[in-house]
Formats: sequence, structure tokens, C-alpha cells
Amino acid sequence: KQEVTQIPAALSVPEGENLVLNCSFTDSAIYNLQWFRQDPGKGLTSLLLIQSSQREQTSGRLNASLDKSSGRSTLYIAASQPGDSATYLCAVSSSGGSNYKLTFGKGTLLTVNP
Amino acid sequence: KAGVTQTPRYLIKTRGQQVTLSCSPISGHRSVSWYQQTPGQGLQFLFEYFSETQRNKGNFPGRFSGRQFSNSRSEMNVSTLELGDSALYLCASSGYNEQFFGPGTRLTVL
Repeated sequence: KQEVTQIPAALSVPEGENLVLNCSFTDSAIYNLQWFRQDPGKGLTSLLLIQSSQREQTSGRLNASLDKSSGRSTLYIAASQPGDSATYLCAVSSSGGSNYKLTFGKGTLLTVNP
Repeated sequence: KAGVTQTPRYLIKTRGQQVTLSCSPISGHRSVSWYQQTPGQGLQFLFEYFSETQRNKGNFPGRFSGRQFSNSRSEMNVSTLELGDSALYLCASSGYNEQFFGPGTRLTVL
């Protein structure tokens, strides 16, 4: 059974700081990994999708890496802003089954202080 | 392109009642998945539909059911509601790999 863990559970940083969020998964047989952002009481916004054959993806100030063999992914946020404050969720879809069934971590609650 | 829409956005029900939630996927997307989000359990997969067929199901009791129509719109139904069913129910649509989520339906069971 796939399990996804995110560390830390919460993070508070001053504006402008670069930061790294961590995600680990127990079964390396994944199809892809997706990072999401969730604002309080809202749905999920897709940030980055990394296919299992890829090592990283970049979008603006965000960079996500994937090391499938070690079961790890990181989300790097450069020059953080107060608007980045949200919960960040990592999710994997496992190969061999439905590619559309995501297993989520519990998330990292990020607070960026002005 | 319009995003994933879910209706209603908020619902209050009492124990024992049943509820139906609706999801309209992004135009052209044929896969619709449903997830339950609670503070204790986080996000958990309920089921996934593709071309009106349920392709995958999570570990939820039979009180949770769903269906998909020919236009890819999907509904999920929860019968005999329990207090523990209070949650944010999220729908996601997918065209190929990436999943796009709707705003969710907040269900409160009293």
C-alpha cells in the first residue's frame, strides 16, 4: 500500500526566504507525482506534475524534483511571498493500477510573514 | 476553458438522510475522480469514473456510490449519513495525466 509523508507539517518563514518542502513515498512504482496548493476551505490548485521518467519540473519560482529510486520529491520555492501562504500537498499515482488514483500526503502548512 | 465545477458548494444534512453531489469536469475530460478530505484522515480517494464506467474504488463503505453520465458529468451519493461523513468532497477531472480539482462541496452532517 502506497504511503506518502510530507515533512515538515508546518513551516513559518520571513518573506524573501528560499524554502524546501519534502515529500516521500513508500512504493517507487509510481506513474507520476503532482504538487498542489490548497488555500483554506478551497479546492486544490495544481502546481507541478512530474512524470516518473522526469527528474524535475519548473514553473516560475517553483521547482520540483523527483528521485523515484529513493522515493523522494522536493518542492523548492524561491523568494517566498506572503501570497505563497497555503497548504502544499504532494500526491502520487501508482503504476500498474489506475493512473488517476492519487495518494496524498497530509500536507505542509506554509506561512510566509511580511 | 472553464474549470471543474461542483454543486452545491455547501450542504447541511442530518444523520440518516442521503445526499447527492454533482461535478462537471473540464470540457473534453473523460475521467472524473472523487476524494473526501477531513482534518483527521486528509485526502482519501473515493472512486474514479471513465466513460460512464467505474474504473477504481477506494476503501469506503457501500453507502458511498457514484455514477457518470454520457456528457462526463458525475454525481456521488451518500446514503444514511453519519456524523463522520462531514467533510470537504472534492472532484477532479483528467484528460491525460494531470488532475484538476474543483472547489469542493462542504458537507456538514448534524
